[in-house]
Amino acid sequence: AQKITQTQPGMFVQEKEAVTLDCTYDTSDQSYGLFWYKQPSSGEMIFLIYQGSYDEQNATEGRYSLNFQKARKSANLVISASQLGDSAMYFCAMRGGTSGTYKYIFGTGTRLKVLA
Amino acid sequence: EAQVTQNPRYLITVTGKKLTVTCSQNMNHEYMSWYRQDPGLGLRQIYYSMNVEVTDKGDVPEGYKVSRKEKRNFPLILESPSPNQTSLYFCASSLSQAGGGTEAFFGQGTRLTVV
Repeated sequence: AQKITQTQPGMFVQEKEAVTLDCTYDTSDQSYGLFWYKQPSSGEMIFLIYQGSYDEQNATEGRYSLNFQKARKSANLVISASQLGDSAMYFCAMRGGTSGTYKYIFGTGTRLKVLA
Repeated sequence: EAQVTQNPRYLITVTGKKLTVTCSQNMNHEYMSWYRQDPGLGLRQIYYSMNVEVTDKGDVPEGYKVSRKEKRNFPLILESPSPNQTSLYFCASSLSQAGGGTEAFFGQGTRLTVV
């Protein structure tokens, strides 16, 4: 069965420092996508970054990068130079294709607090 | 502007009173889905639809109904709400395929309280 695991319920990071949010996944699909979403206190879900299972390079989007280690089935989100506005809940998600349903599976989330 | 619109944003209702949460998207996406978000459980899929007139159960479908009569709309129906359906609900849409560019676009969320 497909599963996403986020083992850090909450984390703190000092402003301007880098932080890594962990995500491991389990799937029997050969083709899949990995996503990270941010949910600020206002509640909306904001897409941050995508990594395809066949992508050889780690994805980057501004201060966000995805540390993709396929053999370990991990897709950690790295936020560089943290800002106060990065304080939010972060969700890792996976979407598989070979089952035909293209279903999203979400982790339980990590709440990040950036300290001034 | 590309968006998914959910209504209402907030709703307090009583046990057993039927309600509908509407969801509409303007991106011509085939895939639409409903999630509920509960503390410590993340987002769990309730129902999804891969296209018009094609719907299927997600992980937590009990107590919910959906319909997909038009491509843009995907309402969530609670025929007889119960307090355990108190939650934050999200509608989302995306392309119906794998790969880049298939991220889900989410509505603003509906916070439902059933008393």
